[in-house]
Amino acid sequence: EAGVVQSPRYKIIEKKQPVAFWCNPISGHNTLYWYLQNLGQGPELLIRYENEEAVDDSQLPKDRFSAERLKGVDSTLKIQPAELGDSAVYLCASSPGNREGTGELFFGEGSRLTVL
Amino acid sequence: TQLLEQSPQFLSIQEGENLTVYCNSSSVFSSLQWYRQEPGEGPVLLVTVVTGGEVKKLKRLTFQFGDARKDSSLHITAAQPGDTGLYLCAGLKDSNYQLIWGAGTKLIIKP
Repeated sequence: EAGVVQSPRYKIIEKKQPVAFWCNPISGHNTLYWYLQNLGQGPELLIRYENEEAVDDSQLPKDRFSAERLKGVDSTLKIQPAELGDSAVYLCASSPGNREGTGELFFGEGSRLTVL
Repeated sequence: TQLLEQSPQFLSIQEGENLTVYCNSSSVFSSLQWYRQEPGEGPVLLVTVVTGGEVKKLKRLTFQFGDARKDSSLHITAAQPGDTGLYLCAGLKDSNYQLIWGAGTKLIIKP
């Protein structure tokens, strides 16, 4: 079974440029997460989807970040314009989404963004 | 603010030594997960503990969930260089199905 797939793995851009990340979750997983992770630290939630609905986007900086999950499968995360402080790894994760379960997440390899 | 405090933040020890990593909170969790993350990869689930007082073993790793389900520990016996990585704990809040993450413990095992 394929895992969570993210692209691109690496992206280097100049500040003020736009950037987009794509995530394909594990087939059948209803819940999808976007996290930001700085080096050596824990993940910080940006947004959580249940199917196509964003159920928790309270930590998403909406002035420059946007996300969508059309048809409740793939998702994209966009930053426009990027700032120097946005340099980080952007992790996508999915879970079956059964609220009776214990909520384990399956992560992709991440997209490392460097803003110059 | 719901916090999950993880300690130590950083640990560098010799191969063969034992170590313990702690996650503590004032909040009650319905379950608690431990992940390990290697450089350039996403976190990978090691174990989930659900019941207060539960102990789970994974080879040389022993995970314990506190009786009150507010804290957890990870003990590694006879650490190996392959245990090197970032260890993360995450607690699941039953009320809103929100996952609260610790800040991570960076573990280096020197041969």
